[in-house]
Amino acid sequence: GAVVSQHPSWVICKSGTSVKIECRSLDFQATTMFWYRQFPKQSLMLMATSNEGSKATYEQGVEKDKFLINHASLTLSTLTVTSAHPEDSSFYICSALGQVGAGARTDTQYFGPGTRLTVL
Amino acid sequence: GESVGLHLPTLSVQEGDNSIINCAYSNSASDYFIWYKQESGKGPQFIIDIRSNMDKRQGQRVTVLLNKTVKHLSLQIAATQPGDSAVYFCAHGSYQLTFGKGTKLSVIP
Repeated sequence: GAVVSQHPSWVICKSGTSVKIECRSLDFQATTMFWYRQFPKQSLMLMATSNEGSKATYEQGVEKDKFLINHASLTLSTLTVTSAHPEDSSFYICSALGQVGAGARTDTQYFGPGTRLTVL
Repeated sequence: GESVGLHLPTLSVQEGDNSIINCAYSNSASDYFIWYKQESGKGPQFIIDIRSNMDKRQGQRVTVLLNKTVKHLSLQIAATQPGDSAVYFCAHGSYQLTFGKGTKLSVIP
């Protein structure tokens, strides 16, 4: 139980294009999802917190107009990297917090498998 | 992008030996701690967690120790196996998590 999926698992795009990454909680509902970015040989850095039905909260230094987050349902959050550039190439990982009574622990983040973005 | 010269601390252990991975944290208000395992190209996988009202918790082949006095957390893996090879991260927080730098565990067959 408590499975989180991401799609696509990898994507290569040209500089200047936009890329959408989906994060889904498959067998539980998640009021809150988190988006992380991880560069090679580094730790996970929180980018933003996404709450269903409201605007995302971005960490300091993360451009909200560049990294658009939409959390339209209790099982889906999307991250759109707009006008991507080579420096946006990274491993993007989402996680989801369980909702009370929805089949997953409410104090544990369940992580997706990540999406490798390469911008040429 | 990647910073030149940045590398993860590495721990090499012989198969069958015990592994101890350490983590220091700075926020004395943290009350929830987790260890994650991350294999290459995959997302973090939950291993074990501990709350600040405990100093030890055991799982299957893993033990987490918490020393709040010196703000130190450790993960002990008993009888380390090749499948344990991965990067291990500690994380702390209650709602949002702060991840440590990670330690790469290499198991020598």
